[in-house]
Amino acid sequence: DARVTQTPRHKVTEMGQEVTMRCQPILGHNTVFWYRQTMMQGLELLAYFRNRAPLDDSGMPKDRFSAEMPDATLATLKIQPSEPRDSAVYFCASGQYSYNEQFFGPGTRLTVL
Amino acid sequence: QKEVEQDPGPLSVPEGAIVSLNCTYSNSAFQYFMWYRQYSRKGPELLMYTYSSGNKEDGRFTAQVDKSSKYISLFIRDSQPSDSATYLCAVSGNTPLVFGKGTRLSVIA
Repeated sequence: DARVTQTPRHKVTEMGQEVTMRCQPILGHNTVFWYRQTMMQGLELLAYFRNRAPLDDSGMPKDRFSAEMPDATLATLKIQPSEPRDSAVYFCASGQYSYNEQFFGPGTRLTVL
Repeated sequence: QKEVEQDPGPLSVPEGAIVSLNCTYSNSAFQYFMWYRQYSRKGPELLMYTYSSGNKEDGRFTAQVDKSSKYISLFIRDSQPSDSATYLCAVSGNTPLVFGKGTRLSVIA
């Protein structure tokens, strides 16, 4: 059964360290989204790609976050250097053409101490 | 004003109750209205999808859109403990989804 996978599922790190999160979208889906979820802000769109090309990353702090799709089966979100305020659950989602029907992964729970 | 407003709850109801969840939005250009359900420690999953105004029913769930008042609702009939989750509304106008913050629902057996 096709699903979005994310690794790692949990990450605890020290402030200043680099964090890399990975996502494997559903095979055949051409749109990939990265979200961050916190209690205070809810689900926020960080960046998204269509056919591996970045379409919008205006939701990301540019100085420390970067998102890439090195190939159709892998999307990465990197934070360098990490800060305590980055603590959140990061979700990847994929879809086929439509923005509306998105399939979410299980998330990466990040804690920055 | 936020683009989508949703009462965070929490909302606690007895099993069998009718549940009403609501959102308001500010941009009249939104045409697509979704409800996602998120169980604890899981990713959101699409529950209902409607286009423009009107009602859509799927089993015990009914989604309602009133574009004139920019108001969307999700009704759950005969609620079950398995419906306990956070429900997020989302809106779109051929643009990436804008999500509400979610309403946490508990259905007590």
